[in-house]
Amino acid sequence: AQSVTQLDSQVPVFEEAPVELRCNYSSSVSVYLFWYVQYPNQGLQLLLKYLSGSTLVKGINGFEAEFNKSQTSFHLRKPSVHISDTAEYFCAVRDGFQKLVFGTGTRLLVSP
Amino acid sequence: KAGVTQTPRYLIKTRGQQVTLSCSPISGHRSVSWYQQTPGQGLQFLFEYFSETQRNKGNFPGRFSGRQFSNSRSEMNVSTLELGDSALYLCASSLEQTDSPLHFGNGTRLTVT
Repeated sequence: AQSVTQLDSQVPVFEEAPVELRCNYSSSVSVYLFWYVQYPNQGLQLLLKYLSGSTLVKGINGFEAEFNKSQTSFHLRKPSVHISDTAEYFCAVRDGFQKLVFGTGTRLLVSP
Repeated sequence: KAGVTQTPRYLIKTRGQQVTLSCSPISGHRSVSWYQQTPGQGLQFLFEYFSETQRNKGNFPGRFSGRQFSNSRSEMNVSTLELGDSALYLCASSLEQTDSPLHFGNGTRLTVT
């Protein structure tokens, strides 16, 4: 069965600093990987997705993620964060027609 | 194009009552999934419907049920509500293809007292 591990429950960072949110997955077959962001009192918004091809995926709001098959990782990065990036970030994996499985989320706290 | 619409936005119910939540997917999306989000358990998959048929089901008791109509709109029902059912219920829609991402609504916040 597929599963997702987000190693950090909370990541504090100063504005304009780089950030990396870690995600590891397990699945027995080829997978599709996603990162979502959730702002308070809202649903989840898709940041980026990896389906196939280039392992470096660029998304919205300056975020990017790198798919590493050997390490079964899909870490999310941003070179310079803004206060407005404060939110909860979820990594998710799906194989075939199976359900989309989410990690437990990482709360990104950006301070001035 | 309009996004996923969930109604109502907030609900307060009493233990033992039942509740029905509604979800209107993005036009053209035939798959609808439901998730329960709580601080303790995170995002838990409830079920997925495609073309009026349940395609996947999570590990929730039979009190949780759903259905999908011919226009792809979906409803989920929770009977005999318990305090632990208090949560944000999220609906998401997607295209048929397995690599299509889910598009989420803003959720229904259910509080059971």
